[in-house]
Amino acid sequence: GIQVEQSPPDLILQEGANSTLRCNFSDSVNNLQWFHQNPWGQLINLFYIPSGTKQNGRLSATTVATERYSLLYISSSQTTDSGVYFCAVEGNQGGKLIFGQGTELSVKP
Amino acid sequence: EPEVTQTPSHQVTQMGQEVILRCVPISNHLYFYWYRQILGQKVEFLVSFYNNEISEKSEIFDDQFSVERPDGSNFTLKIRSTKLEDSAMYFCASVKYEQYFGPGTRLTVT
Repeated sequence: GIQVEQSPPDLILQEGANSTLRCNFSDSVNNLQWFHQNPWGQLINLFYIPSGTKQNGRLSATTVATERYSLLYISSSQTTDSGVYFCAVEGNQGGKLIFGQGTELSVKP
Repeated sequence: EPEVTQTPSHQVTQMGQEVILRCVPISNHLYFYWYRQILGQKVEFLVSFYNNEISEKSEIFDDQFSVERPDGSNFTLKIRSTKLEDSAMYFCASVKYEQYFGPGTRLTVT
């Protein structure tokens, strides 16, 4: 089945810093989503981005489907950005999302 | 903005007991999913449901698990006889292009 790898596994930032999270996947995909899991365990949709670039405030994401990777950019990070960021893909067979292991981000004041 | 809801938010049960986790998907969505996340691990697919039947299930989804949509709005996951290793966060999702996740039910089996 399709493999999803995220890097780095952990990231510690000072408030105000920028960061880039990466998601590599092993096969072509129909769908790619980025989620933020907050300290209460909730999965918050950040982006639905099977290809191209999107921006939402301080966050933006780019998926290069032909090269099988996606990047999540966080600019001017805040302590509330802390948590785990997951990339998840839907393969060409359709249906279920396959999640990466996540990047745990900690933003220090 | 419409959202997926789940109840209860936290359930504690004894090993061997049956539990039912409930989800109300976004209306007019047609595909529904259950996922689980064991503490500290990644989110794993359990089962997908379309047109009142299971369309795909993982190897985790054995005979102890069942799903149904009893009344056209609720979507339930039943675990017949819980085991310690069923302790996890269970997420429901409904789909229209992207998957929208509920807030999860944290199941603790003692």
